[in-house]
Amino acid sequence: DGGITQSPKYLFRKEGQNVTLSCEQNLNHDAMYWYRQDPGQGLRLIYYSQIVNDFQKGDIAEGYSVSREKKESFPLTVTSAQKNPTAFYLCASSIASGRASSYEQYFGPGTRLTVT
Amino acid sequence: EDKVVQSPLSLVVHEGDTVTLNCSYEVTNFRSLLWYKQEKKAPTFLFMLTSSGIEKKSGRLSSILDKKELSSILNITATQTGDSAIYLCAVFRQGGSEKLVFGKGTKLTVNP
Repeated sequence: DGGITQSPKYLFRKEGQNVTLSCEQNLNHDAMYWYRQDPGQGLRLIYYSQIVNDFQKGDIAEGYSVSREKKESFPLTVTSAQKNPTAFYLCASSIASGRASSYEQYFGPGTRLTVT
Repeated sequence: EDKVVQSPLSLVVHEGDTVTLNCSYEVTNFRSLLWYKQEKKAPTFLFMLTSSGIEKKSGRLSSILDKKELSSILNITATQTGDSAIYLCAVFRQGGSEKLVFGKGTKLTVNP
């Protein structure tokens, strides 16, 4: 079954701790994305990667870091510098950019992070 | 700054009603507009619209793009309780940082 997996579904952390959210895809997609969703807000782009070993900041990258060492994996670290980390985090992927079919992004089930 | 605005933000209807959701955008290098449905978790893809005036249909859902007015509508006829969800509009901008810009979504509640 092809798709995107995110783990865990729910994550609880104490303030001041870094936490890493997992995102894996077996769709053979080149591009991967991380979004944050808060109640009443749309999806806001944190980071994205169009190719292995390369990534770009999105609109709200402060307090987050990513890596893209493998095509299938794009983990997101929420650092202690992120002021309001409690949110729903969605990972997505799409085929190589530059083609019309790359506009459609496929989403994982999300991770709900609560920091107290 | 790129902007996608959806209206209304929230809508409550009865089963059988027809609803129209709106999306307007101000995005440089517009390429396509996409609609997603988000129930509990992952948004699922509904439509992608690139050309003006061509209606896309899937069952009771349909959507159309008006590039002159920089807007799109999503229609749902004969609504069912299973249509209750957040409907997200996103615009793909090309060139430079190619990415989807999302609106805040319309929360649709269909009561029996």
